[in-house]
Amino acid sequence: EVQLVESGGGLVQPGGSLSLSCAASGFTFSDHYMDWVRQAPGKGLEWVGRNRNKANSYTTEYAASVKGRFIISRDDSKNSLYLQMNSLKTEDTAVYYCVRVTSSWGGFDYWGQGTLVTVSS
Amino acid sequence: QSVLTQPPSVSAAPGQKVTISCSGSSSNIGNNYVSWYQQLPGTAPKLLIYDNNERPSGIPDRFSGSKSGTSATLGITGLQTGDEADYYCGTWDGSLSAVVFGGGTKLTVL
Repeated sequence: EVQLVESGGGLVQPGGSLSLSCAASGFTFSDHYMDWVRQAPGKGLEWVGRNRNKANSYTTEYAASVKGRFIISRDDSKNSLYLQMNSLKTEDTAVYYCVRVTSSWGGFDYWGQGTLVTVSS
Repeated sequence: QSVLTQPPSVSAAPGQKVTISCSGSSSNIGNNYVSWYQQLPGTAPKLLIYDNNERPSGIPDRFSGSKSGTSATLGITGLQTGDEADYYCGTWDGSLSAVVFGGGTKLTVL
């Protein structure tokens, strides 16, 4: 059974940093692209960024709203995905989901339960 | 303002059919696969349709997807009260080098 379990959410002050983790199981993690998607309270889905697999040199892409502030990385030996968030803003407050990209890159077939990040003074 | 445009809400009676549209451009829907997600209240989104019209295992054939040009459509037949949820379309945008989503459509089953 595929499972994605996020951790690391919490309350942080504006300008601060926070690191999220996603533990994956039930599939060959190293084969898949992995993304982060977020959802602000009462709002729609917003893509945060992507970490491609080893075959694609672990290259990354980021949404314009987080580029230069967030870093996505992975450790295939630990079946884990990470999101390092720096220079946090109040508008970064959201539930952050770890998601697996389908093999055809045509969607997100598995989602974690999400972890809430609140940026507030 | 979302890159993909969806109607904010749709409604229909139990047993009826509803369609949800998703409009984009040549840089996104026109040249990439579209996916659809269902988000029940208080839960994580769930994949309903990928690669424009493919259903993951476990998704009933009441749910269907189609794409034509720069627009995509999610169809739901035999509506049930349990289908009340928010529905999102998504795809890759080659100009932005980013995944883009629609703003979401709230389905009400009257």
